[in-house]
Amino acid sequence: DSGVTQTPKHLITATGQRVTLRCSPRSGDLSVYWYQQSLDQGLQFLIQYYNGEERAKGNILERFSAQQFPDLHSELNLSSLELGDSALYFCASTAGGASGNTIYFGEGSWLTVV
Amino acid sequence: GENVEQHPSTLSVQEGDSAVIKCTYSDSASNYFPWYKQELGKGPQLIIDIRSNVGEKKDQRIAVTLNKTAKHFSLHITETQPEDSAVYFCAAIRRGGAGGTSYGKLTFGQGTILTVHP
Repeated sequence: DSGVTQTPKHLITATGQRVTLRCSPRSGDLSVYWYQQSLDQGLQFLIQYYNGEERAKGNILERFSAQQFPDLHSELNLSSLELGDSALYFCASTAGGASGNTIYFGEGSWLTVV
Repeated sequence: GENVEQHPSTLSVQEGDSAVIKCTYSDSASNYFPWYKQELGKGPQLIIDIRSNVGEKKDQRIAVTLNKTAKHFSLHITETQPEDSAVYFCAAIRRGGAGGTSYGKLTFGQGTILTVHP
């Protein structure tokens, strides 16, 4: 158990809908990452937050947004869903800091868009 | 940005043999290189990592080597067992930053499907 908790584990929704994926980082970790994993694209970085602020952005679609709350949990919002958005979405966390720390991944949220 | 290439994409070995997976990276500023193992239906799990000030690191049957000049690093698994079968990912990141923050994203290789036959 990495200590990173993601909900829901599985989600099936229709095209055009909106979903929210939730992540609770390891206790004390300030930095949260979101990744998308699909069969043809591998693990793709979406966005990173550090202590509530956006720190880095990857290939995140405009239909997707995220935020990190004062209690450090994070949410990834996916809207106007398309079939191609079906994927595993992972959250990862690390304590951060100049020297760096191990990045731990959650078990993922499996999104199926039908 | 950083680009990580990983080879081979699939690797099949007999139990007890060694397995080697190789990665190259493009950004010379990258200074931290973790390896993750992902089993079916689970999230990536860190198995070993190496920092750029170290050339080699070993943990029981697993070792990682880093060649900063050539910008490549490798995972070595000795005495493979069927439970080693999984997808393995290498990754690279530039760590550290002003104000105690970590830089940017962990860039992953494409993954290697390792199958260990009993």
